[in-house]
Formats: sequence, C-alpha cells, structure tokens
Amino acid sequence: GAVVSQHPSRVICKSGTSVKIECRSLDFQATTMFWYRQFPKQSLMLMATSNEGSKATYEQGVEKDKFLINHASLTLSTLTVTSAHPEDSSFYICSAIPGRGYGEQYFGPGTRLTVT
Amino acid sequence: AQSVTQLGSHVSVSEGALVLLRCNYSSSVPPYLFWYVQYPNQGLQLLLKYTSAATLVKGINGFEAEFKKSETSFHLTKPSAHMSDAAEYFCAVSDGSSNTGKLIFGQGTTLQVKP
Repeated sequence: GAVVSQHPSRVICKSGTSVKIECRSLDFQATTMFWYRQFPKQSLMLMATSNEGSKATYEQGVEKDKFLINHASLTLSTLTVTSAHPEDSSFYICSAIPGRGYGEQYFGPGTRLTVT
Repeated sequence: AQSVTQLGSHVSVSEGALVLLRCNYSSSVPPYLFWYVQYPNQGLQLLLKYTSAATLVKGINGFEAEFKKSETSFHLTKPSAHMSDAAEYFCAVSDGSSNTGKLIFGQGTTLQVKP
C-alpha cells in the first residue's frame, strides 16, 4: 500500500516552454502532498506544500509564478514549470501523506527534467 | 527548530560487515524520526520510522535503528551488508512545531558495499 506515482519519469523540453509533472497517490487519499527538487549528490530541497483545495505554500526563495502547483483532488497534485530554462533542469520528486499529521511521507519515483 | 545531521557523507563497508549510518537530531518537541533509502534515479523508500513507541525500531531489508534521547541520536544499523544495500540513505525528522507534515532531511550518506 501507499504507492505514489509520477508522470512523466523523464522529460526533455526546450527553453521557454512549460512542463507539467503529475503526482498521484494510487491507493490512498492525500490531503497533503509535497514537491521537492534534488540536485546531483545532494539532499532534497522542499519547494512547496500542496494542500487539496487550497493554494500551495511555497518555501522561501521558490518562485510561485514559475512553479505552479495545483492540488485539485485528494489523489492528484501537479507541478508546472513555466517558461523553463536550463537552470530548471533537475530531478523533481513528490511525496504524499495519508491523512493529516506527523505520518511518514511516501515518495514518487521522481521526474528528470532536462531543459535544452 | 528541528534539524538533522548525518555524520559521514560517505561510508564504505565490505560485504557481510556491519553497517552503521549515524544520525543526530535536534527537536524542540518529541520527534518523529525516519530513515529513507534512495537508489539512483529513483524516489525515496521508507526503511523505518520512530514515532515514540519502542526505541528499537526494525525496518525493511534487515535494517534497524535505535532512538536514544540522551544522545539525540537515531543511528541506522544492519548486521551484515549486502551488495544491494549500496545506495543513498537519508535521515529525517518531522517538523512537529509547524503541524504541516514537513520533514527535515539530513544531507544524506552514500553507502558503498565492497565485494
């Protein structure tokens, strides 16, 4: 149980275009989802907290107009990288918590974004 | 504020040897602690968690961790390393003060297993 999927697993796009990444909780409802970015050989950097039916909460330094997050249902959150640039190339990972509180996060397999 | 420190960014052991990955935490509230493993180009998989029940926590793949409040530690161990254990390991503490479900991650430890 507690499976989280991400789509696509890998995407290459041209500079200036937008890319949407989907995160789905497959066998549970997730009131809260998180979006992370991970640079090579580094830990995860939390970008934002996505709450179903409300606006996402962004971490300091993360551009909310560039990284659009929508959590339209209890099983789906999307991250859209708008007007992507090469510096946005990274590994993006989502996670979800079943219910609320202090529970463990279940992670998706990640999406490798390359902007050319 | 909560924080996590993983001592040793890189640990190398021989196959069959003891694995010890160190994690120290700082928390203003009773912590929930987690160990995750990440294989290359994949997401994180939960190994085990401490949520104020038993201080010795057993996880998957033969790993276990002991919560020691007096040492503010939550070290991860495995009696006998296997080649398939080679991966990146992250210790994390829940951000209990904010009630957001956030996790604070350590910088990670790369485990290398030599044949």
